[in-house]
Amino acid sequence: EDQVTQSPEALRLQEGESSSLNCSYTVSGLRGLFWYRQDPGKGPEFLFTLYSAGEEKEKERLKATLTKKESFLHITAPKPEDSATYLCAGPSSGGYNKLIFGAGTRLAVHP
Amino acid sequence: SQTIHQWPATLVQPVGSPLSLECTVEGTSNPNLYWYRQAAGRGLQLLFYSVGIGQISSEVPQNLSASRPQDRQFILSSKKLLLSDSGFYLCAWSARGGATGELFFGEGSRLTVL
Repeated sequence: EDQVTQSPEALRLQEGESSSLNCSYTVSGLRGLFWYRQDPGKGPEFLFTLYSAGEEKEKERLKATLTKKESFLHITAPKPEDSATYLCAGPSSGGYNKLIFGAGTRLAVHP
Repeated sequence: SQTIHQWPATLVQPVGSPLSLECTVEGTSNPNLYWYRQAAGRGLQLLFYSVGIGQISSEVPQNLSASRPQDRQFILSSKKLLLSDSGFYLCAWSARGGATGELFFGEGSRLTVL
């Protein structure tokens, strides 16, 4: 069964304390992995697409990396405004119209 | 620029009542359109997607239905709501033929069924 699993479920950091979020993906054949940010009560906002193992993408304090079976979202020196739920998703065996989302990691960054 | 509007933002409905959530997209043509549901603490569940007017694919058997009467309009409906229909409903669009995994989401509609 196609599945996307994220860990940890929740993460509390002090401002400036770097950490990483994990996303593992089990679909036959890796055809891309996508990261989104979701603020409370809002729709998710697209962050990154990663297609190939070894690929990296960066945006401000966020860097996403991809291996053959999982992806990491590294957060360097986070600020309180980075607090959000981070979702990862992958295309199911049915294709890019059928993304499978993980349950997300709720990140709280405290000053 | 493209925008997506979704309404109503919140609604409280009794069990057995009908439902209509509406979503429109502006600034783009021939988008793929999606309805997702997000339960508390869970990932987004794809309910329906559409690649064109009148073309609806249903992903989860349930008492919900979707329609696409116009190119940039997507409607989620139910004739009789169940308690289990409560949740956060999200409409999204993507570019036709796109394979980037980039979806653009609306602000969501929070439905509480009592």
